Amino acid sequence: AQSVTQLDSQVPVFEEAPVELRCNYSSSVSVYLFWYVQYPNQGLQLLLKYLSGSTLVKGINGFEAEFNKSQTSFHLRKPSVHISDTAEYFCAVSERGYKLSFGAGTTVTVRA
Amino acid sequence: GAVVSQHPSWVICKSGTSVKIECRSLDFQATTMFWYRQFPKQSLMLMATSNEGSKATYEQGVEKDKFLINHASLTLSTLTVTSAHPEDSSFYICSARTGITSYEQYFGPGTRLTVT
Repeated sequence: AQSVTQLDSQVPVFEEAPVELRCNYSSSVSVYLFWYVQYPNQGLQLLLKYLSGSTLVKGINGFEAEFNKSQTSFHLRKPSVHISDTAEYFCAVSERGYKLSFGAGTTVTVRA
Repeated sequence: GAVVSQHPSWVICKSGTSVKIECRSLDFQATTMFWYRQFPKQSLMLMATSNEGSKATYEQGVEKDKFLINHASLTLSTLTVTSAHPEDSSFYICSARTGITSYEQYFGPGTRLTVT
């Protein structure tokens, strides 16, 4: 069975500083990996996804993530955050592209 | 493209009544729709998967008689919370997928249910 662990529940960060959100997954087969962002009282928006190929994936709003198969990780990074990046971030895994399993989420709070 | 809507966005109902939430794919046909539940400050938990024209598949621990799911067309799925109780208060989110082999799910904006 697939599972996802987000290692940081809350990440406070100053505006224009870099941020990294850590995600580890567990699966016995090949997986698809996703990062989603959720703003208060809204649904989920896809930031980026890894299906295959290059391990460095670039997404929207300046985010990128790196897939590391040996470490079963898919960490999300942004070199310079804005106040508007304050949100909840979810890492998700899908075996064979079917059901999504979500991590517990990481709350990012950007301060001026 | 790939827009999913939910209606209503917010609903309050009295304990013991039923409430229906609609999930629509606006610009594509959704062969599969998923229903999630999210408690405050928590992650999304998959409740059920519905394929157009067939019965929904519920996740373990989800009461199928309480959470009725109907996927009557390729653009509409409904979740009916029957005999709602305060513990059913939650944020319900649907998502839709374009095909059996499609990997990506498109999420609706969610419905906030409060049972008084």
